[in-house]
Amino acid sequence: DTGVSQDPRHKITKRGQNVTFRCDPISEHNRLYWYRQTLGQGPEFLTYFQNEAQLEKSRLLSDRFSAERPKGSFSTLEIQRTEQGDSAMYLCASSFSRDPTSPLHFGNGTRLTVT
Amino acid sequence: DQQVKQNSPSLSVQEGRISILNCDYTNSMFDYFLWYKKYPAEGPTFLISISSIKDKNEDGRFTVFLNKSAKHLSLHIVPSQPGDSAVYFCAANYGGSQGNLIFGKGTKLSVKP
Repeated sequence: DTGVSQDPRHKITKRGQNVTFRCDPISEHNRLYWYRQTLGQGPEFLTYFQNEAQLEKSRLLSDRFSAERPKGSFSTLEIQRTEQGDSAMYLCASSFSRDPTSPLHFGNGTRLTVT
Repeated sequence: DQQVKQNSPSLSVQEGRISILNCDYTNSMFDYFLWYKKYPAEGPTFLISISSIKDKNEDGRFTVFLNKSAKHLSLHIVPSQPGDSAVYFCAANYGGSQGNLIFGKGTKLSVKP
């Protein structure tokens, strides 16, 4: 169990630029989740995949956000035309759907700063 | 409208004593509750969970109590250790959807030697 891996750990970008983050889940996990956490808040759900299918999206996920998991393994989260309000920690998590009590295993996150 | 509330932003306890972290929720549809622990610069780590059909779950030094009528749960850590110092998040979901967890804002626990 190598854990959930996220890349990069930190990203600084200028407003208006596009950014892309990558998440590699635990290999035997078929569910993958994206959360966002801002200062002083708990993580907020963005979206999740079961295998390659995106099953649920939060209304927090505006049109500028898109997530993919093309082969049911790693996932990418892209933010287009970044805004200062996008500055946050973006967390990825994975779990195994066949065990309903299986908790989410989180990665260490990608911290995005939009200047 | 916050559905999961942790009203104490911080808590300080002495090593060896009991730590009690509290969490309230508003949505009566929630049927599964979890506690996560988070150290700085790391992602949240699962600690313990409880189903709404139970009122207590214990794992070593950690016990979670659920009071459905009061829509309240608490995490007890006995005895508290300095390594327990972290931010603790309460989370809930419903309908068996493990993905869309609703988190509280967290409580920062400091355990002093």
